[in-house]
Amino acid sequence: DAGVTQSPTHLIKTRGQQVTLRCSPKSGHDTVSWYQQALGQGPQFIFQYYEEEERQRGNFPDRFSGHQFPNYSSELNVNALLLGDSALYLCASSLDGREGLFSSYEQYFGPGTRLTVT
Amino acid sequence: SQKIEQNSEALNIQEGKTATLTCNYTNYSPAYLQWYRQDPGRGPVFLLLIRENEKEKRKERLKVTFDTTLKQSLFHITASQPADSATYLCALEGSSYKLIFGSGTRLLVRP
Repeated sequence: DAGVTQSPTHLIKTRGQQVTLRCSPKSGHDTVSWYQQALGQGPQFIFQYYEEEERQRGNFPDRFSGHQFPNYSSELNVNALLLGDSALYLCASSLDGREGLFSSYEQYFGPGTRLTVT
Repeated sequence: SQKIEQNSEALNIQEGKTATLTCNYTNYSPAYLQWYRQDPGRGPVFLLLIRENEKEKRKERLKVTFDTTLKQSLFHITASQPADSATYLCALEGSSYKLIFGSGTRLLVRP
């Protein structure tokens, strides 16, 4: 059973460029969340996708956008890259909870994409 | 303001001892709290989830407590081993579907 996979593993971009990161969730999972993790910090929630729609967003500018496909895989797009966007980008998948409003079941994380902006 | 605080200083203990890590939060009322392990250069790995109506949860050598009055969770690893050395992250739901992580505590277990 494949876990969460992300591509690419590493990426180097120049300020002002655009980047697309990809994620395939764990088999059977229908929800994908994206996180940004700076060195020495915990992951910061960017957004979550469920049923091909963004249903929750963290405190990130509109330069960060995403998409979820019918097969539950997802993309994270970042436009107009800044030096401060350099970080490890993590994708996590989960199974949408059935317990009402608070449904954050355990998240299965991928290995991440290390983005460096120069 | 809302905060999740974990001890930023590394915890250095001798093999065989019990490691205790702390997670404090303010201005949240989480229904769940989770603990993850993260090794360098890798994604976090889920360890335990504890609900607000549970005081304690165990899994093998791991134990988590959750005190909603103190707004604190304690994470214990008994009979620690060098392989337990990693960064441990606590996380809670800041709002619907939004998981908020602490900055993590690094644990070093000396042989």
